[in-house]
Amino acid sequence: QVQLQESGPGLVKPSQTLSLTCTVSGGSIRSGGYYWAWIRQHPGKGLEWVGYIYFTGSAYYNPSLKSRVSISVDTSKNHFSLNLSSVTAADTAVYYCARYIDADWFFDLWGRGTLVTVSS
Amino acid sequence: QSALTQPASVSGSPGQSITISCSGTSSDVGSYNLVSWYQQYPGKAPQVMIYEGSQRPSGVSHRFSGSKSGNTASLTISGLQAEDEADYFCCSYAGNNIVVFGGGTKVTVL
Repeated sequence: QVQLQESGPGLVKPSQTLSLTCTVSGGSIRSGGYYWAWIRQHPGKGLEWVGYIYFTGSAYYNPSLKSRVSISVDTSKNHFSLNLSSVTAADTAVYYCARYIDADWFFDLWGRGTLVTVSS
Repeated sequence: QSALTQPASVSGSPGQSITISCSGTSSDVGSYNLVSWYQQYPGKAPQVMIYEGSQRPSGVSHRFSGSKSGNTASLTISGLQAEDEADYFCCSYAGNNIVVFGGGTKVTVL
């Protein structure tokens, strides 16, 4: 079955860029009908949609993060990536990658999540 | 785009029914019947319980049901069980390829 796995540094310095990758296994990221998403959860808080991308490269972002976020897809490596620039302590969170079903409008598959701490 | 509003906590005794509200606006919940609900245990990733307002994915108990009235969506858990103790989040499509989540509700089984 399809699985998602986040990878990347667990510690990022303030003002630097947070970079994470989500590897899709057991299926192709080129499968139509899905958006590939990043969602974050601040410690003890709710979920926040960061953005998502279609395999064609069309990406959409949370307006509150749009000036700092970029999501890209590499179909040859079957993965997609998140870059969040100029990070502060407020960006400390568990970052999840997830799959969003276009036709049914929900997140049906999630990675296990990775904690990213912003600290000097 | 503001987060959807959920009560911080809801509790009930085993066997009872509880309802969690999710209040949005005419731009999100009110405009689309595209609310989904997620259950999350501590330290785990969320998993979907309801989608498109009232649809249950395969494998989800019939004790979970969803509905909507105006700008407010609701999740009802009937026949409350100890295993239902978790955090629950609502999520809505908000147009223009934007998605918004609620702040989450902690369900406690007394």
